[in-house]
Amino acid sequence: GQNIDQPTEMTATEGAIVQINCTYQTSGFNGLFWYQQHAGEAPTFLSYNVLDGLEEKGRFSSFLSRSKGYSYLLLKELQMKDSASYLCAVKDSNYQLIWGAGTKLIIKP
Amino acid sequence: DVKVTQSSRYLVKRTGEKVFLECVQDMDHENMFWYRQDPGLGLRLIYFSYDVKMKEKGDIPEGYSVSREKKERFSLILESASTNQTSMYLCASSPLLAGEAGELFFGEGSRLTVL
Repeated sequence: GQNIDQPTEMTATEGAIVQINCTYQTSGFNGLFWYQQHAGEAPTFLSYNVLDGLEEKGRFSSFLSRSKGYSYLLLKELQMKDSASYLCAVKDSNYQLIWGAGTKLIIKP
Repeated sequence: DVKVTQSSRYLVKRTGEKVFLECVQDMDHENMFWYRQDPGLGLRLIYFSYDVKMKEKGDIPEGYSVSREKKERFSLILESASTNQTSMYLCASSPLLAGEAGELFFGEGSRLTVL
């Protein structure tokens, strides 16, 4: 079957760096997405990786290794507003999105 | 600013009632999706549509139907609501077809409670 694994919850300190991991086993691969979802709000798009390597976008970076079925989202200079759930999703061989359960990130002062 | 609007943020219905969840997007997107989101689970696709009057079943279509009479509007219908359909329902739209990045734009969600 198809599976996306990410930690359920993580805690980090304001101003620090945190890495949220995502491992996947899917039938085929056509890209990996990260979305941010604040409590009670809609998910919003953060990043898309289809080739191996690191994509940097301001304080957020996303890394992909297709051979390892692995991605991470790196958040630098954490701010309180980064407290949210982070959803990992993979597009499979049929271009359908398979979603992880999300990682709830708690930022402490 | 792009916008996906869901008609109701919170609904409470009784078992057996017919429920309509409406979704409207103002971005002229071809693709629209209905997901449900439950604690501890990833988003699960109920139905999607690539064009007006088109619909495709997702992973969990049982107990649901959809309607897309206009490009901007995608409705989810629960013919006879049951307690196991208590959930958060998310509508999304996308401008791109398969093979592209296909970023999804989500609505704020409709939290449905079935008593």
